[in-house]
Amino acid sequence: NAGVTQTPKFQVLKTGQSMTLQCAQDMNHEYMSWYRQDPGMGLRLIHYSVGAGITDQGEVPNGYNVSRSTTEDFPLRLLSAAPSQTSVYFCASSIFAGQETQYFGPGTRLLVL
Amino acid sequence: KNEVEQSPQNLTAQEGEFITINCSYSVGISALHWLQQHPGGGIVSLFMLSSGKKKHGRLIATINIQEKHSSLHITASHPRDSAVYICAVLKDNTGNQFYFGTGTSLTVIP
Repeated sequence: NAGVTQTPKFQVLKTGQSMTLQCAQDMNHEYMSWYRQDPGMGLRLIHYSVGAGITDQGEVPNGYNVSRSTTEDFPLRLLSAAPSQTSVYFCASSIFAGQETQYFGPGTRLLVL
Repeated sequence: KNEVEQSPQNLTAQEGEFITINCSYSVGISALHWLQQHPGGGIVSLFMLSSGKKKHGRLIATINIQEKHSSLHITASHPRDSAVYICAVLKDNTGNQFYFGTGTSLTVIP
């Protein structure tokens, strides 16, 4: 099993550009989530999904969109990048919503100029 | 004020020492997780607790639901334990949303 994979590992964007961060898992997990990690603030939940076709907002959803068309994939879209979105982004998955071991991807480091 | 507080923020220990990291939370929860973030950035889940105590190797995690407090203990610490340890809670009534502490940065000196 590859576990949870994320691409790209690192990305530089200009303000106003859009992009999609990819996340995939091959463990048949129903629950997937996106977090951002900023210095001194800890991880914060952006969006999550409890199964294909179902998504919901987390703590900091503004400026981001998600979709879950398959169990395996959970892409995160930045609609119009802003410097405040400079962060490290982690995708995670688990069997069910929150009650089981979470598996994290390696992270994507995003710099918005 | 963050709903999940960890202490200490930073901790330096000599190899072999017994280490305790604390997590306090101010909301009702259905589960608490301890995570380890390696210096390279990768995050690994260590424990999921809803009550009592769990042990894995040299790591022990406890939770007191009434006092809204959890501890992570490391016995016979080793330099490879150097990492950031993060507490995360699953709040009651949110069902599926985790809230995180800011982490405890541990350095174990040989």
